[in-house]
Amino acid sequence: DTEVTQTPKHLVMGMTNKKSLKCEQHMGHRAMYWYKQKAKKPPELMFVYSYEKLSINESVPSRFSPECPNSSLLNLHLHALQPEDSALYLCASSQGRTTNEKLFFGSGTQLSVL
Amino acid sequence: GESVGLHLPTLSVQEGDNSIINCAYSNSASDYFIWYKQESGKGPQFIIDIRSNMDKRQGQRVTVLLNKTVKHLSLQIAATQPGDSAVYFCAENLGGTSYGKLTFGQGTILTVHP
Repeated sequence: DTEVTQTPKHLVMGMTNKKSLKCEQHMGHRAMYWYKQKAKKPPELMFVYSYEKLSINESVPSRFSPECPNSSLLNLHLHALQPEDSALYLCASSQGRTTNEKLFFGSGTQLSVL
Repeated sequence: GESVGLHLPTLSVQEGDNSIINCAYSNSASDYFIWYKQESGKGPQFIIDIRSNMDKRQGQRVTVLLNKTVKHLSLQIAATQPGDSAVYFCAENLGGTSYGKLTFGQGTILTVHP
């Protein structure tokens, strides 16, 4: 299994809603990532988890809350989002052995905030 | 801050031609580079990577060239096919303490005409 699976594929939410994005991989990878991608722009790093511990937070607003329940799962909890948070949210994973590793990406969750 | 950039935002080629996509990077400390392909509605897909101690690496129909003197990276696609149409991103990793911090370039749209 060489896939990173993200659910849901599409999500529409209001600014007062609470929702969660889910990501799962079964490649035995120990590093997992959240990226945000606006239309026609490159992906931008949000968070990095290494061995289930948060190792990088790229100054992301607290309305985005990541969680890594175990080595195969990564969640992104959303609360009180703004319309400008509408984007494609990408999850990725890598082996977690060295700093120079290729990342495997999921297909993303297309989020629209109304 | 320093960033990865691309010379050509769009590239149109005929099927069967060779394609060359260029990328300029400005951080001389970067020691690992990756090319990703992103099709519409999908996450970035790994194509090929190269470490800074190499200047060329070949894959199936693809070659990556790294010129550290001028901080330039290129992706060559041989016998380009319509299925190669996508956005291509180069990405760099600083390595060291910047674990997992891939920085993406702006992307090049490749269109292959039958």
